[in-house]
Amino acid sequence: GESVGLHLPTLSVQEGDNSIINCAYSNSASDYFIWYKQESGKGPQFIIDIRSNMDKRQGQRVTVLLNKTVKHLSLQIAATQPGDSAVYFCAENRGGGSYIPTFGRGTSLIVHP
Amino acid sequence: KAGVTQTPRYLIKTRGQQVTLSCSPISGHRSVSWYQQTPGQGLQFLFEYFSETQRNKGNFPGRFSGRQFSNSRSEMNVSTLELGDSALYLCASSFGNSGNEKLFFGSGTQLSVL
Repeated sequence: GESVGLHLPTLSVQEGDNSIINCAYSNSASDYFIWYKQESGKGPQFIIDIRSNMDKRQGQRVTVLLNKTVKHLSLQIAATQPGDSAVYFCAENRGGGSYIPTFGRGTSLIVHP
Repeated sequence: KAGVTQTPRYLIKTRGQQVTLSCSPISGHRSVSWYQQTPGQGLQFLFEYFSETQRNKGNFPGRFSGRQFSNSRSEMNVSTLELGDSALYLCASSFGNSGNEKLFFGSGTQLSVL
């Protein structure tokens, strides 16, 4: 069925390393993608988004890459810091006027000092 | 600008009881969505309200209901609580004018059903 999924449920990195979190989606009609970060005890927070007419978008220390050919989304975090430890969710909006994003199951990022 | 506010932060109930959760969206946001979050199922969409009308609904039983007031504040109600309803309930708001909008989440209400 249609789904947004994550390849790795847990990612452990050392402080200062670059992190890459991956996400697969199955609906080619999806036209808007978002990454959220959820820290313990808090709700998800918006990190970065990308529309389907783009391949790459950069923010502060984060980059989202979209590969529509293989329906793959990734979040790259440069110089990962302990404060980046959290669960990261990708979400897709499936177009057609849908207002409801579909969330992936999440990847837990653990940053070791 | 105040963020999304959810009350209460924690709730403990027993099976068979009912519960009402409250959500105040960001000022100017007219869309309020509710999600259930559990370790096993991730974020599951419950329903979305826009201008006091339920615009979208997820795949949850009728025991889960909600409403939205004229000031965009929203409440959700769960009746006849079951053990499996234990979860973090998240509310999110947005302007709701298009499908390409980011959501702003509250910190959630942690519901424990004993």
